[in-house]
Amino acid sequence: GENVEQHPSTLSVQEGDSAVIKCTYSDSASNYFPWYKQELGKRPQLIIDIRSNVGEKKDQRIAVTLNKTAKHFSLHITETQPEDSAVYFCAGLGGSYIPTFGRGTSLIVHP
Amino acid sequence: GAVVSQHPSRVICKSGTSVKIECRSLDFQATTMFWYRQFPKKSLMLMATSNEGSKATYEQGVEKDKFLINHASLTLSTLTVTSAHPEDSSFYICSAPGRGLSGELFFGEGSRLTVL
Repeated sequence: GENVEQHPSTLSVQEGDSAVIKCTYSDSASNYFPWYKQELGKRPQLIIDIRSNVGEKKDQRIAVTLNKTAKHFSLHITETQPEDSAVYFCAGLGGSYIPTFGRGTSLIVHP
Repeated sequence: GAVVSQHPSRVICKSGTSVKIECRSLDFQATTMFWYRQFPKKSLMLMATSNEGSKATYEQGVEKDKFLINHASLTLSTLTVTSAHPEDSSFYICSAPGRGLSGELFFGEGSRLTVL
């Protein structure tokens, strides 16, 4: 089955800096890679996703890049704000159609 | 977008009792739903895949007799924690794919279970 590795587990940045979270996956059949943001005690919310037929997708301050050859994808947040502080999860959806989540990254944005 | 509703959001029960958690897709049909358990500051651990009209598929290490899953209709899946013990205390969260099996996952609000 799919195995998704996510790094780092914790990321601390100053407000205005950029943050990058990286994930690798194992199943070459995976074709859908969402990123979720989860605030404390709340449900995960989709913030951006990418399918295997594109290499990059951007939505305002958030972007995701995908390297199919290397089997890794990354979340980029620019001009971080304190409200970006949360836990971020990457996921991969492969041939089994069962999403596999990374372990999560706790992002802390200091004012 | 699609909405998944889960309740109760919080439940406190005594050790040995059973607790039922409901997960509903409000504006779409979900033939498949996923149940996760989440420990503090940890990732989402898939417990089982709930399939409408058939038995749930449990992940390795998850006791199917303890965590009973029923997918009674295209909009409702339930998780029953039987004979709960303090170690079952956790955050349980369900999700459903909104567009077939290759699209976005929509999550319920989650249920915080505390077993005394």
